[in-house]
Amino acid sequence: SSELTQDPAVSVALGQTVRITCQGDSLRRYYASWYQQKPGQAPVPVLYGKDNRPSGVPDRFSGSKSGNTASLTITGTQAEDEADYYCNSRDISGYFLVFGGGTKLTVL
Amino acid sequence: EVHLVQSGAEVKKPGESLKISCKTSGYRFTEYWIGWIRQMPGKGLEWMGIIYPGDSDMRYRPSFQGQVTMSADNAITTAYLQWDSLKASDTAMYYCARLEGDGYNSDYFHYWGQGTLVAVPS
Repeated sequence: SSELTQDPAVSVALGQTVRITCQGDSLRRYYASWYQQKPGQAPVPVLYGKDNRPSGVPDRFSGSKSGNTASLTITGTQAEDEADYYCNSRDISGYFLVFGGGTKLTVL
Repeated sequence: EVHLVQSGAEVKKPGESLKISCKTSGYRFTEYWIGWIRQMPGKGLEWMGIIYPGDSDMRYRPSFQGQVTMSADNAITTAYLQWDSLKASDTAMYYCARLEGDGYNSDYFHYWGQGTLVAVPS
């Protein structure tokens, strides 16, 4: 499959840990990158590769991959982490890129 | 410092043509792929395609092939996305972004433009 599947919505209590997942056959071969998007703003990358954070991204964001599933984990979730999160990777052919459908994270 | 600055919002009629731009600065334009990403109102991100200004290599998502055209002007370090005949369903925010990574299994869009809103009222 060339698709990446994400849960549409996830909620987490303030200060707790949340995992957002992304499933797809191509993830067995390729890493996912993750993007945070707040209303009215352009997406911002928060993770890429095995577990790399672009400069300025807090270390409470971490990543992992197992089989066909990539995960974004936020440890000690803050109110400002409430946003939509998208995964992105190559498709199974490796020739194209594809985004997951996005996960809306609500911080309670 | 890397910057991607996109052209302003557009309101067009169905059937009209349009070319939006993504002006880059702060890096060697010909050494990085530039991607275009669509976001329809209230929806998620969709990868449309990527272009490598160094040799004009392009890859289109199949559903966008023939619907849009990507191009780049190396002299002014600007990438473009154009439509020959807009449809109401083209109404969306369009982002350009610079692709980085190892070129094998670890790519990501590091720098993003602010987005260009295209509205095509039916």
